[in-house]
This record gives sequence, structure tokens and C-alpha cells, in this order.
Amino acid sequence: QKEVEQNSGPLSVPEGAIASLNCTYSDRGSQSFFWYRQYSGKSPELIMFIYSNGDKEDGRFTAQLNKASQYVSLLIRDSQPSDSATYLCAADTGGFKTIFGAGTRLFVKA
Amino acid sequence: DAGITQSPRYKITETGRQVTLMCHQTWSHSYMFWYRQDLGHGLRLIYYSAAADITDKGEVPDGYVVSRSKTENFPLTLESATRSQTSVYFCASSDSGTGYEQYFGPGTRLTVT
Repeated sequence: QKEVEQNSGPLSVPEGAIASLNCTYSDRGSQSFFWYRQYSGKSPELIMFIYSNGDKEDGRFTAQLNKASQYVSLLIRDSQPSDSATYLCAADTGGFKTIFGAGTRLFVKA
Repeated sequence: DAGITQSPRYKITETGRQVTLMCHQTWSHSYMFWYRQDLGHGLRLIYYSAAADITDKGEVPDGYVVSRSKTENFPLTLESATRSQTSVYFCASSDSGTGYEQYFGPGTRLTVT
């Protein structure tokens, strides 16, 4: 069964620190990987996607992909209290379908 | 309004009743999805649709029925609600033109008593 695994947390970091979120996936055929942010009581929204091995940066966010290790990570630099949310890692399972991890709760302390 | 909407936002129903959750998107996205989100399980795919009149089962389809007669609508029906179907339901849409990024509706919180 195809799976995406994440540490449920909570991950607690002080304001201004780097938050590091990790996930692993089981399907070697997955080509696209997504990070969604979900605030409490709200719907998920995409913050990053990555297709190629290596790093992809967008503002304070960096997504990292290592297909050989089946590992995806999200780094949040200069963490802010507004970054406190659950972060969902997702991988495609062929074309337009994706499978989601259970999410990691991040808490940024002011 | 543009976007993806769900109705109702909150619903309380009794065991055994039929319930239909509505989803409407204005982007003309080809793909639509229904997920349920429960604590500890993340988002689990119930059903999905690649186009009007094309639907298929996801990970947890038992007890649910979908239809898609129009591209913009994708209703989810619980034929005979059970307590285990108490959950938050999210509808989403995507298209190849968006890199398969999924856009989520605001969710429906369903309680089955």
C-alpha cells in the first residue's frame, strides 16, 4: 500500500529559528511532491511543490527532495508565530491523484 | 463567486439517514476529489473524478456514492449514515494546467448521532 509518513509532532521552535519538517514516501514511482499548510479549522493550501532532486526555494520556504532515499523535507527559515499550523506532505500516485501524510503540527513560540 | 464551495458547512444527522454533501467549483477543473479528515489519519481519499461522468473509488469508498453529471459539481452521498462517518469532509479540484495542485473547499463538518 502506498504511504506517506510524517512525524505527527508537535514540533516546537522559537520565533526566528529554522523549522525542519520531514516525510518519507513508499511509492518509488511518485514524481511530484507537495507541501500543504493547514491552519486549525481551515482547509489545506499549497505552499510548495517539487519535482526534481535537490532544493527548491520560495521566500522563507525551501523544499528538499531525495528520490534515492524517498525523502522530502520542508525548511522554514525565520519562523514566525503565523507559521504555526499543520503541514501535510503529499506525493502523487500517478497523474492527478495524490496521497497525503497525516501531517506534522508546528508551533512557533513568540 | 469564483472558487470551490461546499455546502452545508455543518451538518448533524442521525444514524441511518441519507445525507448529501455538495461541492461546486467555478474553474472548470477536470479533476475533483472527496476526502475525509480524521485525527491521526490525515486526508483519506473517498472518491475522485477525472471528468464529467467519470468517477472512481479512492482509499475509503464504502458507504459513499458520488456522481458527476456536470464538470462543476461533485456531490457526495452517504446512503445510510453511520457514526464512523462522523468526520470533516473536504472537496478539492485540480487540473493538469495547475501542475495537479489541489484546491480545497472550506470543508463540511458532519456529525452522525
